[in-house]
Amino acid sequence: EVQVVESGGGLVQPGGSLRLSCAASGFTFSTYWMSWVRQAPGRGLEWVANINQDGSAKYYVDSVKGRFTISRDNAKNSLFLQMNSLRAEDTALYYCARDRPANLYYYYGMDVWGQGTTVTVSS
Amino acid sequence: SYELTQAPSVSVSPGQTARITCSGDALSKQYAYWYQQKPGQAPVVVIYKDSERPSGIPERFSGSNSGTTVTLTISGVQAEDEADYYCQSADSSGSYQVFGGGTKLTVL
Repeated sequence: EVQVVESGGGLVQPGGSLRLSCAASGFTFSTYWMSWVRQAPGRGLEWVANINQDGSAKYYVDSVKGRFTISRDNAKNSLFLQMNSLRAEDTALYYCARDRPANLYYYYGMDVWGQGTTVTVSS
Repeated sequence: SYELTQAPSVSVSPGQTARITCSGDALSKQYAYWYQQKPGQAPVVVIYKDSERPSGIPERFSGSNSGTTVTLTISGVQAEDEADYYCQSADSSGSYQVFGGGTKLTVL
């Protein structure tokens, strides 16, 4: 079964740090871009960051640049999001999503999502 | 930063046609993708590359692109189609992804 499973969320104080993980299975992880997408309570989807197949290209939404770092370990089929200097506005459900394959002909959108992991930033 | 604009809500009666639009300057250069999200669930792709329908998505879902506006059309709306719908695309460079603000479809 093709799936991704997020973990690592929790309650953290403003200014604190958290590391999210995403375990992928059922597909060749190393051949896909991967993205983190978040959804604040009662709000819409917001793309946070993505990373290419070998980790050499990374892109971030402006609001997290310099604070969040996306990374991956293809040997362990895992995606990560290191979140530092957390703010109240980072409170959200964080989704891991499969993004573009190597051959864009086969890109069907972000077609595999986990159930998300909740991050709450509060004192 | 690049933005995609969607109307916050659309309401239709069962059996009618719902049209949900998404506007953005780079939509003439970048493909658009549409996601359906029901409460408590992860998003699901209903349209990719402007107008393609993934396997398993009902034929009543279709998409179109008219330059800087893309449209998701749901023909013969059913009660189960009530959900939030998001468009997604990239900026003109293709490097930065963005979601529209979402449209809540209410089936009256």
